[in-house]
Amino acid sequence: NAGVMQNPRHLVRRRGQEARLRCSPMKGHSHVYWYRQLPEEGLKFMVYLQKENIIDESGMPKERFSAEFPKEGPSILRIQQVVRGDSAAYFCASSPPGLKETQYFGPGTRLLVL
Amino acid sequence: GEDVEQSLFLSVREGDSSVINCTYTDSSSTYLYWYKQEPGAGLQLLTYIFSNMDMKQDQRLTVLLNKKDKHLSLRIADTQTGDSAIYFCAAETGTASKLTFGTGTRLQVTL
Repeated sequence: NAGVMQNPRHLVRRRGQEARLRCSPMKGHSHVYWYRQLPEEGLKFMVYLQKENIIDESGMPKERFSAEFPKEGPSILRIQQVVRGDSAAYFCASSPPGLKETQYFGPGTRLLVL
Repeated sequence: GEDVEQSLFLSVREGDSSVINCTYTDSSSTYLYWYKQEPGAGLQLLTYIFSNMDMKQDQRLTVLLNKKDKHLSLRIADTQTGDSAIYFCAAETGTASKLTFGTGTRLQVTL
């Protein structure tokens, strides 16, 4: 059983461009979480999704950031018009239905904004 | 909201025990976790404890929970160089099961 997969692993964007980060949860997992880790800091919760639903987006910046988890395909975290302060590692985690307490993390996408 | 705090750095000799401490503020946190992060890698779930437990042991790892003081610790017995990493404490908060992380404790194991 493959773990949580994220791609790309590294992403470089210039200011003003769009960044699209993908997360494929573990097989059978229907809950997806996105976290952001700034350099030398812990992870900060961004958003929690189930298939086709956003459950909790209390950690998402109000502008430029959006997330989706469609019925088919990976979860996408989209950052429009990136700024240097968006440079961070973005981690996705997934958990199975009925066992939300166990979150398994992907390897992360390291975004660098030039 | 929940606040989770950890000391930033711990250095131990190979073969000794390591104890990493964590405090949290939300007494309603149901689950508390320890994750390990190696350089450039994602987070590896080490263990977690339900809030009605005082202790959980898993091979070289022992988790102690003092719910009254909102204090969590991770003890690693017979620490090895491969244990060198950043260890994150996390608390589950709210109905959405989101995790609030501490800033991480960097464990350095010396020979």
